[in-house]
Amino acid sequence: EIVMTQSPATLSVSPGERATLSCRASQSVSSNLAWYQQKPGQAPRLLIYSASFRATGIPARFSGSGSVTDFTLTISSLQSEDVAVYYCQQYNDWPPWTFGQGTKVEIK
Amino acid sequence: EVQLVESGGGLVQPGRSLRLSCSASGFTFGDYTMTWFRQAPGKGLEWIGFIRSKTYGGTPEYAASVKGRFTISRDDSKSIAYLQMDSLKTEDTAMYYCTRAICSTTGCYAPDYWGQGTLVTVSS
Repeated sequence: EIVMTQSPATLSVSPGERATLSCRASQSVSSNLAWYQQKPGQAPRLLIYSASFRATGIPARFSGSGSVTDFTLTISSLQSEDVAVYYCQQYNDWPPWTFGQGTKVEIK
Repeated sequence: EVQLVESGGGLVQPGRSLRLSCSASGFTFGDYTMTWFRQAPGKGLEWIGFIRSKTYGGTPEYAASVKGRFTISRDDSKSIAYLQMDSLKTEDTAMYYCTRAICSTTGCYAPDYWGQGTLVTVSS
């Protein structure tokens, strides 16, 4: 099973500042990596697929990078509506598809 | 508009069964791999399994934690995916989500649309 590790667990960022979230895979997942945003009481929403492609309707301030085992999600200018938990997920290898434990993004 | 609507959740005793449904609309259901995830209260996301489209055999895959107890099926004529859960345990208590993905013989794309989920509580 591929283990996904996210850091940090919690990230506090001032409005308008950059937020950088990390995700590391225990073995190669190529570029088969997605990022999801989950707000309280809501279902996850796909932000990024194939490591760096924005999903439909996702604002340009969200960007993804990386490949193989190391990945980054960047929010270029944090907005209040971006407060959420962010999960990375590998879909390169199954069973199972696996998630990181999540990074909670807060407003400082 | 793509829509996925889960139903069938509720309170069930340990050892009993429950069947969840995922009703889809707004896309060609038969072209997609249908996937189930769950999230225990206050916890992270867990993949349960998926069922491939008929084009790629219509076969399921399961996580080890549910294999032998849960069964995923699909009815393409009704655009519904099912999750049959047997021998339920208290640790199966979670919000259950269905999603769609495109999978072929060489791999899959990320699940894009998610339903709002249905809550399953396993308790005596």
